Amino acid sequence: SSELTQDPAVSVALGQTVRITCRGDSLRTYYASWYQQKPGQAPVLVIYGKNNRPSGIPDRFSGSSSGNTASLTITGAQAEDEADYYCNCRDSSAYHWLFGGGTKLTVL
Amino acid sequence: QVQLVQSGAEVKTPGASVKVSCKASGFTFTAYFMHWVRQAPGQGLEWMGIINPSGDSTSYAQKFQGRVTMTRDTSTSTVYMELSSLRSEDTAIYYCARDNSDSDITGWWFDPWGQGTLVTVSS
Repeated sequence: SSELTQDPAVSVALGQTVRITCRGDSLRTYYASWYQQKPGQAPVLVIYGKNNRPSGIPDRFSGSSSGNTASLTITGAQAEDEADYYCNCRDSSAYHWLFGGGTKLTVL
Repeated sequence: QVQLVQSGAEVKTPGASVKVSCKASGFTFTAYFMHWVRQAPGQGLEWMGIINPSGDSTSYAQKFQGRVTMTRDTSTSTVYMELSSLRSEDTAIYYCARDNSDSDITGWWFDPWGQGTLVTVSS
């Protein structure tokens, strides 16, 4: 089916590593992109393509993909990383795009 | 700098239409596809559709087919999203975003995003 699935919530201790996953059939064909959204703000791109970071995004953010799963990893999570994270991918069966339901990251 | 600036908040009654604008600057507007995405209160991001650089081709999410129209004006570097037959469930923040893709067309990403436009549908 044409959808992307994310865990609704994930927590991580300050300074530790956390992985946020996104699953969907379209990920077998196309790379995911990842967006960070803080309350009251527009989404911000953090990872795109195979594993690319836009200018200004810290190198603790990285991306990977295997089969039908894409992952966003934050190595050494900081308090300012607490946010909602969304994956996005083109639908492999139509000229449409898909968003995952989002993962709320809590930094403890 | 590359920027998308959207029109201001709107309040509409059920059954009405709304037209949201998104003005681009800092890049060659006629070279990029543009997306619209919405976010209902407390909910996730929902893709609505895409318009091609010349404005003569669009693709809409099935959910919005027949109610949404996306257009663009190259003379003002502005894209528009019009949603008709509004209902309370259309209350949301509407975002425009620029489409980007890699050279071998295996990945797309949305960057930058507009600041969002809150559309409230209420009687």
